[in-house]
Amino acid sequence: AQTVTQSQPEMSVQEAETVTLSCTYDTSESDYYLFWYKQPPSRQMILVIRQEAYKQQNATENRFSVNFQKAAKSFSLKISDSQLGDAAMYFCAYRRGIQGAQKLVFGQGTRLTINP
Amino acid sequence: DADVTQTPRNRITKTGKRIMLECSQTKGHDRMYWYRQDPGLGLRLIYYSFDVKDINKGEISDGYSVSRQAQAKFSLSLESAIPNQTALYFCATSPAQAGKSYNEQFFGPGTRLTVL
Repeated sequence: AQTVTQSQPEMSVQEAETVTLSCTYDTSESDYYLFWYKQPPSRQMILVIRQEAYKQQNATENRFSVNFQKAAKSFSLKISDSQLGDAAMYFCAYRRGIQGAQKLVFGQGTRLTINP
Repeated sequence: DADVTQTPRNRITKTGKRIMLECSQTKGHDRMYWYRQDPGLGLRLIYYSFDVKDINKGEISDGYSVSRQAQAKFSLSLESAIPNQTALYFCATSPAQAGKSYNEQFFGPGTRLTVL
C-alpha cells in the first residue's frame, strides 16, 4: 500500500520569507500524481499544486513550487514571499495513475504559521 | 452556490445514536468519496463510489455505511455512533477519466461531528 509521510507537524516563517514543507511517499508504482492541498481555518480543502510523476519539470503556481525527486520519493513544497493568508494546514497527497484508481492517500499534515 | 455541499456543517450527538451525513454536488461528477480527518492522521478514505451501482470500501469503513441515492447524492451513515468517530468528515467528487491524464478531487466544506 502507498504511504505518504509529512515529518514536520508544525512550521513557522516570517512574512515575506520562503519556507519549504517536506513530504516523502512510498510506492512501487511508476505512474502516479502528487498534490499539495491547503486547509485554512475555514476547513475548506484547496488544491495548491499538482505534479505528474512522468514529468521531470517541477510544477509551479505563482509563489508555490515543488521540488519533485522521483528517485528519492520526495515531494516538497516551497512557498516564496510568504503572506499572512498562507497560514493553514498543508497536506501532501498521492494518487495512483491508472484509470479507476482515483483515491487520494494523504500525509499527516503540516501546520504553517506566518509571523508578521 | 457551492458545487459540493455537505449537511449538517456541525453536529453533536450521543453514543449509540444513528447519524447520517449528506453530500450533494452540482458538478455532474460520477465519482464521490467520503474521507475522515483526525489530528495527526490527515484524511483517510472511508468509502468511495464510481457510480450509483458501484460502491467500494476504503481503508477505514468499519462502523460506517453509505448510500448513493443518485449521481449527485452520496450519504454516509454511522449506525451506532461511538466517541472515537468524533472527527471532521469530508465529501469529495471527481469526474471519470476520459482521456485526460488526471482529475482533481473537489471537496465539500466538511462536517464537524462530535460524539459524546
